[in-house]
Amino acid sequence: AQTVTQSQPEMSVQEAETVTLSCTYDTSESNYYLFWYKQPPSRQMILVIRQEAYKQQNATENRFSVNFQKAAKSFSLKISDSQLGDTAMYFCAFMKGAGNMLTFGGGTRLMVKP
Amino acid sequence: DSGVTQTPKHLITATGQRVTLRCSPRSGDLSVYWYQQSLDQGLQFLIQYYNGEERAKGNILERFSAQQFPDLHSELNLSSLELGDSALYFCASSPPAQGATEAFFGQGTRLTVV
Repeated sequence: AQTVTQSQPEMSVQEAETVTLSCTYDTSESNYYLFWYKQPPSRQMILVIRQEAYKQQNATENRFSVNFQKAAKSFSLKISDSQLGDTAMYFCAFMKGAGNMLTFGGGTRLMVKP
Repeated sequence: DSGVTQTPKHLITATGQRVTLRCSPRSGDLSVYWYQQSLDQGLQFLIQYYNGEERAKGNILERFSAQQFPDLHSELNLSSLELGDSALYFCASSPPAQGATEAFFGQGTRLTVV
């Protein structure tokens, strides 16, 4: 079974600064996908970024980028130029293969301060 | 708006009762997933249906059951409810395309058992 661990229950960052959220996972699979989801106070789950394990290049979506270290089984999320709207819970998630279930980490609550 | 519709948004019921949560996936999506988000257990996968057939089962209690109908909407039935069943229940759907990895989440049903 896969496990996903987020070791930072809470973090805070000043507006316009950069913050990095950590995630580690454990799996014996070779083909898998990793995700970061954002859950704002509205409770909606919003996909932030996706990484395919077979791709060495780190995924980037505007201000969001990941540092994917496959050998270390580490998948951190970097948010640049933090905005107040980035305040939310962030969940790291693992998918064994396309069309399968998601296994989530425990989440990191991020507060962006003005 | 993800295109996934869950009803009702909120539900308050007494212990021992039975409730049905409904999910309409995005048009064209064949897979439906149910997840439970509680304070002590985090986000957990319950069950997945694909085109009417059960595809995967997670930590779903025997008191819970689900089905997917020919029109692809899904229902999650929770019976003999206990206080600990209070949680946010999410439905997600994903496209049938091979390699599809994005799961689109509904806004959730918040269940409160009193």
